[in-house]
Amino acid sequence: EDQVTQSPEALRLQEGESSSLNCSYTVSGLRGLFWYRQDPGKGPEFLFTLYSAGEEKEKERLKATLTKKESFLHITAPKPEDSATYLCAVRASSNTGKLIFGQGTTLQVKP
Amino acid sequence: DVKVTQSSRYLVKRTGEKVFLECVQDMDHENMFWYRQDPGLGLRLIYFSYDVKMKEKGDIPEGYSVSREKKERFSLILESASTNQTSMYLCASAKENNSPLHFGNGTRLTVT
Repeated sequence: EDQVTQSPEALRLQEGESSSLNCSYTVSGLRGLFWYRQDPGKGPEFLFTLYSAGEEKEKERLKATLTKKESFLHITAPKPEDSATYLCAVRASSNTGKLIFGQGTTLQVKP
Repeated sequence: DVKVTQSSRYLVKRTGEKVFLECVQDMDHENMFWYRQDPGLGLRLIYFSYDVKMKEKGDIPEGYSVSREKKERFSLILESASTNQTSMYLCASAKENNSPLHFGNGTRLTVT
């Protein structure tokens, strides 16, 4: 069964304190791994797509990496405005278009 | 930018009512999706559509139906609302099968 697990569930950081969020997956043929940011009361906002092991994508203080079993979202020198829930999702080769989501990591960055 | 618009941000309905949730996208995307999001359960796929008048069941289709009469519009229907359908409903669209999903801001439905 295709599955996505994110850790930790919650993370508290001080402003400027870098860290990483983990997304472990088991799928029958990966057709893409997606990272989203979700603010309270809003829909998920697309951040990155990764397609193959070794691939990396960057956007401001965020960097996503991918291996054959997991993905990391590295946050460098975070600011309070980076506080949000970060969702990871995968698309398997057996699934037409749909994404399977992890439970998310809620990040709080304190000033 | 892709815009996915859900017709209501908040909705309160009574048990047994028929409920319509509407979603419109403005980017001529082929695929559209309905998810529900619940604390501790994450996002779960209800139904999706890859073309006009086409639909496929997701992981939790029971108690729901969908309609896609036009490419830009995807409706979720709760035939007879129940309290366990109280949730945040999220609509999304994607250009094609390998594209990322773009989400609307959700409809928070409360069934009393």
